[in-house]
Amino acid sequence: DARVTQTPRHKVTEMGQEVTMRCQPILGHNTVFWYRQTMMQGLELLAYFRNRAPLDDSGMPKDRFSAEMPDATLATLKIQPSEPRDSAVYFCASGLVLGTTTEQFFGPGTRLTVL
Amino acid sequence: AQSVSQHNHHVILSEAASLELGCNYSYGGTVNLFWYVQYPGQHLQLLLKYFSGDPLVKGIKGFEAEFIKSKFSFNLRKPSVQWSDTAEYFCAVKADTGRRALTFGSGTRLQVQP
Repeated sequence: DARVTQTPRHKVTEMGQEVTMRCQPILGHNTVFWYRQTMMQGLELLAYFRNRAPLDDSGMPKDRFSAEMPDATLATLKIQPSEPRDSAVYFCASGLVLGTTTEQFFGPGTRLTVL
Repeated sequence: AQSVSQHNHHVILSEAASLELGCNYSYGGTVNLFWYVQYPGQHLQLLLKYFSGDPLVKGIKGFEAEFIKSKFSFNLRKPSVQWSDTAEYFCAVKADTGRRALTFGSGTRLQVQP
């Protein structure tokens, strides 16, 4: 039963600390997405990759956030330095592009609390 | 840029009642449409999707949705809800702009009372 995995599931940290979230996409999927979910903003796209190349990171605050795919089995989202307003659930999703259609499968999320 | 509107923010129903959640999108071209469900404390799961063909789409757990292109709508329906359907429901759209990411609506919180 293939699924997207994310670690850690929960993270509590202090303001100013670096946070790294990891995602393992479903094997064979060529597209990876990072979303952030908050009560106020709902689900927002932060960044997405196709074949490990970043295609769109316009939703991500560039000064503190960075997203990478060091290899096809790992995507990372890093926040440095973290701020209380970064508290949210961060979801990773992966998908397989087939023509113009893409179905995304979501991971369980990382619940981040920045104190 | 495309946007998605879910007009019902919070819906409360009794078990066995019928459900219809509204979803409207703004984009004039070809779209893929999705409904996701998020049970309390869990991640998003796909309920159903529309890519092309029959505009009436059947998904898991007895849910269905109808794509009405002229109304830019993709409403979710279920004839008889159960307590276990209590969750948040998100409508999402992917436009044929080449951008692969989904644009989500703000979600509808459904509470089913036993």
